[in-house]
Amino acid sequence: DARVTQTPRHKVTEMGQEVTMRCQPILGHNTVFWYRQTMMQGLELLAYFRNRAPLDDSGMPKDRFSAEMPDATLATLKIQPSEPRDSAVYFCASGLISGGSDEQYFGPGTRLTVT
Amino acid sequence: AQKITQTQPGMFVQEKEAVTLDCTYDTSDQSYGLFWYKQPSSGEMIFLIYQGSYDEQNATEGRYSLNFQKARKSANLVISASQLGDSAMYFCAMRGYQGGSEKLVFGKGTKLTVNP
Repeated sequence: DARVTQTPRHKVTEMGQEVTMRCQPILGHNTVFWYRQTMMQGLELLAYFRNRAPLDDSGMPKDRFSAEMPDATLATLKIQPSEPRDSAVYFCASGLISGGSDEQYFGPGTRLTVT
Repeated sequence: AQKITQTQPGMFVQEKEAVTLDCTYDTSDQSYGLFWYKQPSSGEMIFLIYQGSYDEQNATEGRYSLNFQKARKSANLVISASQLGDSAMYFCAMRGYQGGSEKLVFGKGTKLTVNP
C-alpha cells in the first residue's frame, strides 16, 4: 500500500532556527504539492512541482521559504529563519496529475511549532 | 480570482441520515475540477470525490455524491446513510488556472459530527 511519507512528524524549534521538512512521494507520481494548514488560514497551497520542475510557488513567502525536489524520491521544504507565525501543520501530497480526476494522496503532515 | 466558500463551519447529523455539505465556488475558468477531501481527527487528508466542469452527470462514489449545479456554481457533497466514522472536517477544493498557472484552492472546511 503506497503512501506519502513525511519527516519529521513533529518539530519544535526556536525562532531564528532553520527547519527542513522532507517528503517522499509515491513512486510514479509526477506532481508533488506542499500545503500549510492553520486554524486561522485553513489549508493553503505553498508550492508544487511537476516532473521535479517547480510550477508554482506563489503561495510561499519567498524571503524565508524554499522548496526543492533534488530527485524524484525526495521533496524538501525549508524555512530559514523560522518565526512563530510559521507554526502550522505542513502537508506534502503527491499525485499522477493529467488534468482530469487527479486525486492527490496526502502525507501525515509535519506539525511545526516555533517558539 | 478563484475562491471556494463553505458557509457551514459545523454540521450535525443523526447516524443513518443523509447530510449535505455546501460548497460554492467562483472562477472565470471554463475548465476546472472540483474535489472533496475528508480530514479525520487523526489529521490525514483523504480524497473523496471529483467532479469535472464538463461532466454532465453528478459524480458518485459509494455513499458520497456531488450535487453539481454549474449555473449556480455550487458543488455540494451529499453523504447518505451517515456513519459515526464520517465525523471529520470536510474540505471542498477547486483546480483551475490563474495567470497561466495551475491553481488549487481549498475552502475553510465544515466540521461534521455524526450523533448516534
